[in-house]
Amino acid sequence: GAVVSQHPSWVICKSGTSVKIECRSLDFQATTMFWYRQFPKQSLMLMATSNEGSKATYEQGVEKDKFLINHASLTLSTLTVTSAHPEDSSFYICSVWLAGFYEQYFGPGTRLTVT
Amino acid sequence: QKEVEQDPGPLSVPEGAIVSLNCTYSNSAFQYFMWYRQYSRKGPELLMYTYSSGNKEDGRFTAQVDKSSKYISLFIRDSQPSDSATYLCAMSARAAGNKLTFGGGTRVLVKP
Repeated sequence: GAVVSQHPSWVICKSGTSVKIECRSLDFQATTMFWYRQFPKQSLMLMATSNEGSKATYEQGVEKDKFLINHASLTLSTLTVTSAHPEDSSFYICSVWLAGFYEQYFGPGTRLTVT
Repeated sequence: QKEVEQDPGPLSVPEGAIVSLNCTYSNSAFQYFMWYRQYSRKGPELLMYTYSSGNKEDGRFTAQVDKSSKYISLFIRDSQPSDSATYLCAMSARAAGNKLTFGGGTRVLVKP
């Protein structure tokens, strides 16, 4: 399977600031990556689909101006949480979908705490 | 009603027992079925994936898909305390752009 990394693994920021989270596919080129959010004791909720070289596709109810996604290369996608608020505190996880396969491989996640 | 239903548990079993997990779904377009294991504060780890109906075995894990009943299962033989985690079923349809729809997860506790 694919190896996916995320950076940072944990970040604390103040309300109103922006935070960038990186997702890297270490051993495969990924034209498509996905970003999820997970609240405690809940399942994963898909936020957006990140396609290399094009605009991300956001799920209904996800503010695209608040959660900026950039998929500038086949191995890197970034999620920027702009003007973060305490309610944005969550576990953010990315996944990689490999063309020709059907499964997704997930990164280790980034815990965001907004104070 | 959710598209994918999964009993949240917790499911507590003694070490060495068989763990039986399942999900039901309503969308007949789902073709690809996956099971993930997630430890606390970690990303999901892919355990098994199957396409359409049938069985698949990998070591201690067996996945079953019954599309006619819209029911999938995961069995873990000879369970170990290290199997204690949350297990998530996930499924997708090609027409949906490979987006995964997850069950809510079942928390499993294997007691030594």
